[in-house]
Amino acid sequence: DIQMTQSPSSLSASEGDRVTITCRASRSISTYINWFHQKPGKAPKLLIYAASSLQSGVPSRFSGSGSGTEFTLTISSLQPEDFATYFCQQSYNTPRTFGQGTKVEMK
Amino acid sequence: EVQLVESGGGLVKPGGSLRLSCAASGFTFSNAWMSWVRQAPGKGLEWVGRIKDKSNRGTIDYAAPVKGRFTISRDDSKSMLYLQMNSLKSEDTAVYYCTRERSDHGDYCLDYWGQGTLVTVSS
Repeated sequence: DIQMTQSPSSLSASEGDRVTITCRASRSISTYINWFHQKPGKAPKLLIYAASSLQSGVPSRFSGSGSGTEFTLTISSLQPEDFATYFCQQSYNTPRTFGQGTKVEMK
Repeated sequence: EVQLVESGGGLVKPGGSLRLSCAASGFTFSNAWMSWVRQAPGKGLEWVGRIKDKSNRGTIDYAAPVKGRFTISRDDSKSMLYLQMNSLKSEDTAVYYCTRERSDHGDYCLDYWGQGTLVTVSS
């Protein structure tokens, strides 16, 4: 199985900050990576698919990059509604696997 | 509007069985790949399995921890997805989400999620 390792596991940031979350795959997954965020008690929501494509309706402050084994999710200017837990997921093969999550908290 | 609505969760004893259902609407269900994802309390997301559409032979894949105990099925005439869970263990306690895996244009992503249904395995 492909292991997805996210870092950091948590971070504290302020409104307006630029935030970067990293995900590393245990082997090359090309650009088959997706990013989600999840608020407490809610289902995850797709933000970025295929490493860098913005899901319809998602604000442009979210962006993704990378290929192979190293990927990043960037929030250019953190908004109050962005405080949540972020997950990466590989869709290169099955079983699909997720990163362990990064909790973005208010500083 | 795409909607996925899970039902069937509840409390079950270890070794017991439960069947989850997911009612889909707002898209052509018969053409969709559908997946189950679970989340144990306070933990991360875990992929359970996926069923492809008939044009892809309805192929089903499972995660190792549930293979042989869980069965995913679909009824395209009713736009329903199912998860039959047998020989349940305490570690199966989780919120179970029904999701659609978008598979067109080579983009494989879970673009729609249900609200989830809680399964608790406890004596």
